[in-house]
Amino acid sequence: EIVLTQSPGTLSLSPGERATLSCRASQSVSSTYLAWYQQKPGQAPRLLIFDASSRATGIPDRFSGSGSGTDFTLTISRLEPEDFAVYYCQQYDGTSHFTFGPGTKVDIK
Amino acid sequence: QLQLHESGSGLVKPSQTLSLICAVSGGSISSGGYAWSWIRQPPGKGLEWIGYIYDSGSTYYKPSLKSRVTISADRSKNQFSLNLNSVTAADTAVYYCARYGGSGTYYFDYWGQGTLVTVSS
Repeated sequence: EIVLTQSPGTLSLSPGERATLSCRASQSVSSTYLAWYQQKPGQAPRLLIFDASSRATGIPDRFSGSGSGTDFTLTISRLEPEDFAVYYCQQYDGTSHFTFGPGTKVDIK
Repeated sequence: QLQLHESGSGLVKPSQTLSLICAVSGGSISSGGYAWSWIRQPPGKGLEWIGYIYDSGSTYYKPSLKSRVTISADRSKNQFSLNLNSVTAADTAVYYCARYGGSGTYYFDYWGQGTLVTVSS
C-alpha cells in the first residue's frame, strides 16, 4: 500500500499570506493519480485539484497544485477567510485502490 | 446536479453488521462508466477509502477491510449500499458515499453529506 505523508500537520497563517502544503508518497505516484481535497468542519470533502495540477470546476485560481513522482504540493497564493480548513491529498495506486494522506490543517494565526 | 444521500442506522452494537444506503439523484448509477464509493472518517481523524462498485457490478475493497465489507447496488432504486460485519468501536465514523469517475479519472468528485455511525453496546 502506498502511504501518503502530509506536512506540516498544522499551518498557522494570516489572511492574505501564501500557504504551501506538502504531500509525499512512499513510492512514485503518477501525476494523473494525485488529487487534493478541502474539508471544513461538519462538511464533506470538496475536490480542489485532480491530476496533480488541474483545478476542479469552480475552484478559484488562487489554488494550484504541482509536483511529480513522490513529492506534490498544494499552494494557496493568498489565503481568504474561507480557505481555513483541512486539506487532504489522495492517490490511486494503479491497482484499483485509493489512499488518503492524514491531512494538513490551515488555521488562522 | 448529481446528489448523493446516505442513510441507515446511526447506532450499531459490537459484533453486528453496519448497513448503509446511498441514494443517488440527478444521474444514474447504471451508466457513464462511473464507480460508486464508500469512504469513512473516524471522529477527529482523516479519511479512509473503503471500496467501490462499478456500474458493471465489479467491486473493489480496501485489502484490510475486504473480509468484512460488501458493497452492492440496487439499480431499480438508483442506490448502492455498504454492509460491514463484525463491527467494533474502531468502526465508529462518519461514512460518506461518493462518486469516482472510473477509468481515466482517479478522484472523487461528488460526495454525500455523510452519516455518523456509532458502534456501542
